[in-house]
Amino acid sequence: DQQVKQNSPSLSVQEGRISILNCDYTNSMFDYFLWYKKYPAEGPTFLISISSIKDKNEDGRFTVFLNKSAKHLSLHIVPSQPGDSAVYFCAASALTQGGSEKLVFGKGTKLTVNP
Amino acid sequence: DGGITQSPKYLFRKEGQNVTLSCEQNLNHDAMYWYRQDPGQGLRLIYYSQIVNDFQKGDIAEGYSVSREKKESFPLTVTSAQKNPTAFYLCASTGGWRQFFGPGTRLTVL
Repeated sequence: DQQVKQNSPSLSVQEGRISILNCDYTNSMFDYFLWYKKYPAEGPTFLISISSIKDKNEDGRFTVFLNKSAKHLSLHIVPSQPGDSAVYFCAASALTQGGSEKLVFGKGTKLTVNP
Repeated sequence: DGGITQSPKYLFRKEGQNVTLSCEQNLNHDAMYWYRQDPGQGLRLIYYSQIVNDFQKGDIAEGYSVSREKKESFPLTVTSAQKNPTAFYLCASTGGWRQFFGPGTRLTVL
C-alpha cells in the first residue's frame, strides 16, 4: 500500500514557465513533508519542506503548498530552468517509536525543462 | 567538510556472493538509514538505526543485514539470500527533521 503517491512519472515544461509537481498521501499521521531533487547516479539533495501546521512555504523559485484536507501537496518551480531537470521525490515524515524520523518516499517525477 | 561517504561508487559481484557496502558520516548524527532505488520504484527503506548497537528492519529487509558498532559507520551487507540485489543503494543520516544522503553505490550482480 503506497502511502505517498506521485502519479505523474514525468513532466516536460518550457524554460521560463512554471513547473508543478504533485504528491498525494494517505496517512494522516505524517507531520512533515519534504521535496528532494535527484540527478542520475547521485544521492538526493534536499530542496524544500513544509510542516503540517503550514499551508505554504517559499524559498526563491520554489514554493510548496500543502492541502491537509485533501492530503495533497505540490511543488511549484517558477521560472523553470534547464538545470532543474532531474527526478523530484516527495517524502513524508513520521516519528518512529524511538523518536527518529522515518521518511516515506513517492516514486518520483522526472522533470525535463526544455530550453 | 562534513558529509556522508559511500564506497565504492560502483561494485560488481558474482551471484551467490555476499557483499558489504560502506557508509560513513562525520555529521555526528545519531540516526542512519539504508535505501534501495530501482527504476520507477522510488526509494525503499531497507534498515535504519537510531543509535549505536541498535537497528530496525525497514520495508524490504529480507536478504540484507547491517551493523552499527560506531556512530559514524553503518555498513550494509547484501547476502546471497537477496533475490534481486542489482540496484542503486543510498545511505542517509538524520540531522533534526532532514535526511542527508550519500552519493550512492551502484551494485551489479553478474
